[in-house]
Formats: sequence, structure tokens, C-alpha cells
Amino acid sequence: GESVGLHLPTLSVQEGDNSIINCAYSNSASDYFIWYKQESGKGPQFIIDIRSNMDKRQGQRVTVLLNKTVKHLSLQIAATQPGDSAVYFCAENMENTGFQKLVFGTGTRLLVSP
Amino acid sequence: EPEVTQTPSHQVTQMGQEVILRCVPISNHLYFYWYRQILGQKVEFLVSFYNNEISEKSEIFDDQFSVERPDGSNFTLKIRSTKLEDSAMYFCATAYSGGARETQYFGPGTRLLVL
Repeated sequence: GESVGLHLPTLSVQEGDNSIINCAYSNSASDYFIWYKQESGKGPQFIIDIRSNMDKRQGQRVTVLLNKTVKHLSLQIAATQPGDSAVYFCAENMENTGFQKLVFGTGTRLLVSP
Repeated sequence: EPEVTQTPSHQVTQMGQEVILRCVPISNHLYFYWYRQILGQKVEFLVSFYNNEISEKSEIFDDQFSVERPDGSNFTLKIRSTKLEDSAMYFCATAYSGGARETQYFGPGTRLLVL
């Protein structure tokens, strides 16, 4: 069935460190993955996405890695800042559905200490 | 930058009462979604909506739920007879197209508390 899960519920880092947030998915048919950031009291905010025909995609200070062999997704944040503190969700969507239906993981809370 | 807006930000209601949650999509977006997030849990898909029709709904979206776009701008979620377990954050999301790789933009949410 569809399920997206996260390995760690909370990640604490020091400002300036690199952060790595992991996500496992179980649906091998999933072919599009998105990372969202959710700050307290706000809705999920799109960070970066990746298609299944890629294994890496880079954005501004963020990199997403996809390992389809082990069905694993990670978000790397370079030079983590206090403003990066939030809950991070991975989500998946299947191409063969007519419309989007995002399936979210449980979320990882990132705490950045100054 | 265009944003999805939602009203009210908070809603407290008695069990059995009807509530209507409102969303104003980004102006050129045509695909609309509702999700909910029970406190401390993951975001769950409720329903997708396009061209004045539901395109897909989850098991959560039972007969007590309905959606509509009454005036061509607002997109609403109605819960006819609220239950305690309906207490959650409700997020509206919109997208320009319905493609599976189209980015969904989320509103700030409405926190619903059913007493």
C-alpha cells in the first residue's frame, strides 16, 4: 500500500552544520517526490522536488537524493541556519493517477541551535 | 508573491454543528485540494477538486464532508455534523494544473476544535 515514513522524528544541529533528513517510502510505483517545510502555525511550504528518473537534484542550499533501489529519499541542507528550524515532510505522488494526491510522511523536526 | 489564503484561522465549534472552512486559491490556479493534519500527526489527503467536480477523495472524506466553489473564487470545505475526531488543522492547497508533478501551494490552515 501507500506509505511514506521518516527515520528520525527530531534532528538537532548547530548553526552552520549540514543537516540530513531521511525518508523511506514503500510504494515502488511512486515516481515523484517532494520535500515540504512546515513552520509552526503555517502550512507546508514547497522546498524541492525530484522525479524518479533522477537520483540527485540541487537547489539553493538544499539537495535531494533519491535511491530507488532501497526506496530512500534524503534532504540535505547546507550551512543550516536558525530559520531552517521547522518540521520537514517528504511526500510522494504517483504519476499514473489522474490528479495529484500527495502522501505525506510523518515529519522530522529540525532544531537549529545558534 | 501570490498566496493561498484561508479563513477563519481558528474555529471552535460544538459537536454536531456544521462548519464551513474557506479558501481563496491563487488566482490562475484551477486545481484545488483539502488536507488535514491532526495534532502531531502527518498531513492527510482529503479531496481533490477540478472543474466543479470532485476528482478523488480519501476514506476520511465521508458523507459528512462536502466541497464546492460557490462563487468562482472561494473554495469551501463543509463538515455537516462535526465530531470530536474532526479536530485538526485543515489545509487548502491549489495548483495551476493537475499534472502529477505540478507543485501544490498550501494555505496557512484553519485550526478546527470540536468540543
